[in-house]
Amino acid sequence: KNQVEQSPQSLIILEGKNCTLQCNYTVSPFSNLRWYKQDTGRGPVSLTIMTFSENTKSNGRYTATLDADTKQSSLHITASQLSDSASYICVVSGGSQGNLIFGKGTKLSVKP
Amino acid sequence: ETGVTQTPRHLVMGMTNKKSLKCEQHLGHNAMYWYKQSAKKPLELMFVYNFKEQTENNSVPSRFSPECPNSSHLFLHLHTLQPEDSALYLCASSLRTSGNSYEQYFGPGTRLTVT
Repeated sequence: KNQVEQSPQSLIILEGKNCTLQCNYTVSPFSNLRWYKQDTGRGPVSLTIMTFSENTKSNGRYTATLDADTKQSSLHITASQLSDSASYICVVSGGSQGNLIFGKGTKLSVKP
Repeated sequence: ETGVTQTPRHLVMGMTNKKSLKCEQHLGHNAMYWYKQSAKKPLELMFVYNFKEQTENNSVPSRFSPECPNSSHLFLHLHTLQPEDSALYLCASSLRTSGNSYEQYFGPGTRLTVT
């Protein structure tokens, strides 16, 4: 069954600290993997998209990694800011019909 | 802003009401989507339209009725909903649907409460 599992479910960190969010997937065949940021009461906004051949991709303080062999991805946030408080959703495109399969998200809270 | 707008942003309706959600995209995209987002659940794809034609209906109950009059507008007509239909309804658009390799841009969502 095609699934995307994210951990942790929620995370609280202090402003200025780094953190890493995890995403494991069982989607096959694999097309691409995306990380979205969703602020409370808003729609998701794309942070990165990675294909099979890409191991890492950065977007400012956000760095995503992909290990297609172990089917794992991580999103690393450096020097966190209060505005980073949001849900981060991992989405994998693939499967027999090329559908998008969404994780439940990790809710990050950055405290002053 | 992502270029995708949704109205209303909040909606409270009774189970016997009829209401409609509206989505408009200003990105020149050809594909539009409706998603349902419930608490602690992944986003659920409801409907997909490509060049105004419905290409996917993800076993959605008939009390949800989509309409796509042109590539820029998408509606979701609601009638005789149930309390478990309360959720955030998100609209998205992309240039095309093929292979899901095209980026999807989401609107801010409509927070629906069914009483």
